[in-house]
Amino acid sequence: DAGITQSPRHKVTETGTPVTLRCHQTENHRYMYWYRQDPGHGLRLIHYSYGVKDTDKGEVSDGYSVSRSKTEDFLLTLESATSSQTSVYFCAISDPDSEQFFGPGTRLTVL
Amino acid sequence: DQQVKQNSPSLSVQEGRISILNCDYTNSMFDYFLWYKKYPAEGPTFLISISSIKDKNEDGRFTVFLNKSAKHLSLHIVPSQPGDSAVYFCAARTIQGAQKLVFGQGTRLTINP
Repeated sequence: DAGITQSPRHKVTETGTPVTLRCHQTENHRYMYWYRQDPGHGLRLIHYSYGVKDTDKGEVSDGYSVSRSKTEDFLLTLESATSSQTSVYFCAISDPDSEQFFGPGTRLTVL
Repeated sequence: DQQVKQNSPSLSVQEGRISILNCDYTNSMFDYFLWYKKYPAEGPTFLISISSIKDKNEDGRFTVFLNKSAKHLSLHIVPSQPGDSAVYFCAARTIQGAQKLVFGQGTRLTINP
């Protein structure tokens, strides 16, 4: 595997609470990504990072923020979780012009 | 605006036969295409890719075909095996896309013994 972990793997939370998901890599890859997977939509990019402190928005970034203070860690924060953010979240890593390697996913349920 | 579409949510194929998974795209700026395979409760894993300068790429039992004029790509698996049962996603990116991938909705492939 690509040396990528996600924590927590499962989380149940209530509407309005803040949530932070963590992605950790041991591969020293430059790029890191956060996707969400929903039925009928495949995987959709939320945010990505092209270096420490360098991030940009993806297709579905509203309601999410990210931070990358170290090469190996990429955090996804839901400032105030909503039921529409119930999903499976995947982190991915890559080098320039190479395929992306995905983590095992985090299943988030917002009640 | 779904730029990458997999119109078949599911496909059932007999073991040993050929599986053909299809994918259509609308953005003519896409220059690189990938297929990922996903088992339940796991992250997607890279399977095979093709650049827009090619029309075919082969890797063992897996072959990807690209028809740029039709904006269509397909993944052929020959022969199909029970372990191929999974959800398959096609994905695409542009040169200017900074490595950002656009995924299709996925096709669930079931290989029957």
